[in-house]
Amino acid sequence: NAGVTQTPKFRVLKTGQSMTLLCAQDMNHEYMYWYRQDPGMGLRLIHYSVGEGTTAKGEVPDGYNVSRLKKQNFLLGLESAAPSQTSVYFCASSPRGSSDTQYFGPGTRLTVL
Amino acid sequence: SQQGEEDPQALSIQEGENATMNCSYKTSINNLQWYRQNSGRGLVHLILIRSNEREKHSGRLRVTLDTSKKSSSLLITASRAADTASYFCATDDYKLSFGAGTTVTVRA
Repeated sequence: NAGVTQTPKFRVLKTGQSMTLLCAQDMNHEYMYWYRQDPGMGLRLIHYSVGEGTTAKGEVPDGYNVSRLKKQNFLLGLESAAPSQTSVYFCASSPRGSSDTQYFGPGTRLTVL
Repeated sequence: SQQGEEDPQALSIQEGENATMNCSYKTSINNLQWYRQNSGRGLVHLILIRSNEREKHSGRLRVTLDTSKKSSSLLITASRAADTASYFCATDDYKLSFGAGTTVTVRA
């Protein structure tokens, strides 16, 4: 099992550009999450999904959109990137909800110039 | 908003020593989890302790939970260089909320 994988690992964008981060999991988990990690801030939840076809806002959803068309994939989109979105993005999945262990991907380091 | 807050922010110890870090939180929780993050990597789950449990062990890890004080501690015994990492507590109300972490450096 690959677990949770993220594509790409690194990306540099210019302000105003768009991009999509892909998260894939092969553990048949229902729940998937997108977090961002900034220095001194810990992880903050951007959006999450409780199952295929569902999405919900987390703590810091502004400027991001997500889609969960297939159970194994969770996409995070930035429509018009801003320097404030420079961060490390982590995807995670869990069998059930927040009371379960979450399994994390290796992260995507995004720089917006 | 961060629910859990770890203390200290950073910790440096000699190999073989014990490392203790604490987590305080504000509201009632269902469970509390501890995760480890090695530099440049994703988080790895270490241990989950439920609100009705007071202590839990996993190998060299010991976690305590005091719901009356809204605090938890993680003890790593006989530390090794490989334990150098950041450690995060995560509290579960309806979603997991992570603290800013404790960075542990184990010196050889």
